[in-house]
Amino acid sequence: DIQMTQSPSSVSASVGDRVTITCRASQGIHSNLAWFQQKPGRAPKRLIYAASVLHSGVPSRFSGGGSGTEFSLTISNLQPEDFATYYCLQANSFPLTFGRGTKVDIK
Amino acid sequence: EVQLVESGGGLVQPGGSLRLSCSASGFSFSSYAMHWVRQAPGEGLEYISAISNTGDITYHADSMKGRFIISRDNSKGTLYLQLNSLRAEDTAVYYCVKDTVAAIYGVVSRLEYWGQGTLVTVSS
Repeated sequence: DIQMTQSPSSVSASVGDRVTITCRASQGIHSNLAWFQQKPGRAPKRLIYAASVLHSGVPSRFSGGGSGTEFSLTISNLQPEDFATYYCLQANSFPLTFGRGTKVDIK
Repeated sequence: EVQLVESGGGLVQPGGSLRLSCSASGFSFSSYAMHWVRQAPGEGLEYISAISNTGDITYHADSMKGRFIISRDNSKGTLYLQLNSLRAEDTAVYYCVKDTVAAIYGVVSRLEYWGQGTLVTVSS
């Protein structure tokens, strides 16, 4: 199975800050990576797929990058509604595997 | 608008069975592969299984193979997950997820829209 190592596990930030989350795959997955946002008690929502393609309706302050084994999600100009947990997902091969999540909370 | 509504969760004793359903609307259900993902309380996301658009090809994660069975009824626009021999560690919210493609092999599965989830609690 492909292991996804996500870091940091949590980050405290303020409105207006820039936050970067990284995911490292245990083997190359091309650009087959997605990012999801989950708020407490809610289902995950897709933010980015194919490593860098913004899902429809997602604000442009979210951006993704990387390929192969190293990937990143950046939230520029953090907004109050962005405080949530973020997960990466490798979609290159079964079993699809998720990172352990990064909780972004208010400093 | 894509809508996925899971049902069938509840409290079940260890060793028991449950069938989860996911009713889909707002898109051509028979055109897309579907998936199940679960999340234990306070934990991360765990991938369970996938099914092609026609239902003839399936995948189950090794840790659940033989106990969980995915299926679909395209005439009803419904996805199912049969849960057998349930254990305490199967306690979780179970989500159904729509893909962006029809097949599950030879393509890149892209989990797109998620249902709100249904809670399964395994306890005596």
